[in-house]
Amino acid sequence: DIQLTQSPSSLSASVGDRVTITCRASQSISSHLSWYQLKPGKAPRLLIYAASSLQSGVPSRFSGSESGTDFTLTISSLEPEDIAAYFCQQSHSTPRTFGQGTKVELK
Amino acid sequence: QVQLQESGPGLVKPSETVSLTCGVSGGSVSSKTNYWSWIRQPPGKGLEWIANIYYSGSTDYNPSLKSRVTISQDTSKNQFSLKLTSVTAADTAMYYCARDRVLPVGTTFSYAFDIWGQGTMLTVSS
Repeated sequence: DIQLTQSPSSLSASVGDRVTITCRASQSISSHLSWYQLKPGKAPRLLIYAASSLQSGVPSRFSGSESGTDFTLTISSLEPEDIAAYFCQQSHSTPRTFGQGTKVELK
Repeated sequence: QVQLQESGPGLVKPSETVSLTCGVSGGSVSSKTNYWSWIRQPPGKGLEWIANIYYSGSTDYNPSLKSRVTISQDTSKNQFSLKLTSVTAADTAMYYCARDRVLPVGTTFSYAFDIWGQGTMLTVSS
């Protein structure tokens, strides 16, 4: 199975801060990596697919990038509604696997 | 707009068999561009992909659960289901269904879970 190591596990930031979450794959997954936002009581939301493609309807403050097996989700300016858990996920092969998640809290 | 809605028994006893169902509205489980998946999240833990099914009926399973899981579809009801046998407390989790869709990326493509249900909580307890 492809392992995804996500960091940090949690972070505290202020509204307007730039937030960066990283995800490292245990082997090459090309660009087959997605990012999701999870909020309690709501359906999870796809933010980014194929490492850097913004899903339709997702605000442009969210962006994704890759460098080899390292992937990054960036929130350019944190909004209160961005308080959530974020997960990376690879679709290079099955079983599909996820990172351990990052909980973003308000400072 | 495609929407997914999970349903399940909520509370079951250890060793029982449980069935979860995902109803699909605004789209078809027979679409050739999608796989349909089950994913779970135990309380306080991360996400785990369980299984998927294609319109043709072909299936794929997470090896960690393969011996206890069966995924199936009912095209007449436009839904797909998950059966989990011999449940234990470790199976306590929020269970989500999701559409695993092929998405164009320039001249190539990639897959992502673009539509999710809100989840159904399964608690295993005596």
